[in-house]
Amino acid sequence: GAVVSQHPSWVICKSGTSVKIECRSLDFQATTMFWYRQFPKQSLMLMATSNEGSKATYEQGVEKDKFLINHASLTLSTLTVTSAHPEDSSFYICSATWDRSTSYEQYFGPGTRLTVT
Amino acid sequence: SQQGEEDPQALSIQEGENATMNCSYKTSINNLQWYRQNSGRGLVHLILIRSNEREKHSGRLRVTLDTSKKSSSLLITASRAADTASYFCATDDLKDTGRRALTFGSGTRLQVQP
Repeated sequence: GAVVSQHPSWVICKSGTSVKIECRSLDFQATTMFWYRQFPKQSLMLMATSNEGSKATYEQGVEKDKFLINHASLTLSTLTVTSAHPEDSSFYICSATWDRSTSYEQYFGPGTRLTVT
Repeated sequence: SQQGEEDPQALSIQEGENATMNCSYKTSINNLQWYRQNSGRGLVHLILIRSNEREKHSGRLRVTLDTSKKSSSLLITASRAADTASYFCATDDLKDTGRRALTFGSGTRLQVQP
């Protein structure tokens, strides 16, 4: 149980275009989803936290207008990278939990590798 | 700097040997978790240790937590080539946003030679 999927697993896009990444909890209802970014050989950096039905909370330094997050249902959150640039190329990972009050018991998706040319 | 700093950054051992990775953190925690990440893949949760626990075992994994020193260690015994991966510690922190979320350490890249 507690499976999280991401789609697509990899994507290549041209500079200036927008890319949408989906994160789905397949067998549980995710009240909270987290979006992370990971550059090569580096750790995961939290970008934002999204609760179903409310606006996402972004970490310091993450541009809200560039990384649009929508958590419209209890099983789906989307991250849209708008006007992507080569420096946005990274590995994006989501995680999900059904407990609003704690951050443990997070279940991670397999990640999406974004390459902007 | 990150909440969790790990050492060593990289570790290369022979199959059958034990691997020890250390993690230090700065603030008080409710729990500390260890994750594994194979190259280019997502994270796999290995073990969670709560702040009132000192040691925990899971198969070939042994985790210790010393809250007085704000440090944790992950020991993998009798390592296998399949253990080759990056290992991250993570603490649940109260973020500037007022929400709790995981903060990951810098990671240890483990290479187990067959």
